[in-house]
Amino acid sequence: AQRVTQPEKLLSVFKGAPVELKCNYSYSGSPELFWYVQYSRQRLQLLLRHISRESIKGFTADLNKGETSFHLKKPFAQEEDSAMYYCALRLGGGSQGNLIFGKGTKLSVKP
Amino acid sequence: DAGVIQSPRHEVTEMGQEVTLRCKPISGHDYLFWYRQTMMRGLELLIYFNNNVPIDDSGMPEDRFSAKMPNASFSTLKIQPSEPRDSAVYFCASSFAGGHEQFFGPGTRLTVL
Repeated sequence: AQRVTQPEKLLSVFKGAPVELKCNYSYSGSPELFWYVQYSRQRLQLLLRHISRESIKGFTADLNKGETSFHLKKPFAQEEDSAMYYCALRLGGGSQGNLIFGKGTKLSVKP
Repeated sequence: DAGVIQSPRHEVTEMGQEVTLRCKPISGHDYLFWYRQTMMRGLELLIYFNNNVPIDDSGMPEDRFSAKMPNASFSTLKIQPSEPRDSAVYFCASSFAGGHEQFFGPGTRLTVL
């Protein structure tokens, strides 16, 4: 069955420290992976997707098909990065609807 | 653009009552999604529409749940009768064909006593 796993419910780091939010997926087809973020009192919004291979707000994520992972990384965390982060998997076939979310990781960046 | 609009933002009701959640997608978007978020199960897709037609309702938990999209600018999610285990945050999201991003509403926090 298709599944997205985020093993950490809470990740706490100090400002300036590197951060890595883990995401593993289970899917035999060609996946499309995303990271969504929800800041306090804001809407859930797209942070980045693996196809674009871009850095957003200093965050990057590389799809590793061998390890079925899509970890989110940032070399130097900032306090404004504190938020809930969700990894999501869109199944192949171009269907808009098949988006499966992990349970989320709450990132807390301390001053 | 105000983005995806959901109402009400908070709903408290008693077990057995009918609950109706409302969503207005972003103008021009032709996909609409309903999600439910709970601590135990995270964010789950309940149903989605394309051009007002339900495409996949396999995530709808049971017959007490129903969703409609009478036109391109309005959708409802109804629970009848409601039960305490339906307490959750319900999100609506929309997107356009060919796009990769789903745009989420602020959510409706439902509490069933």
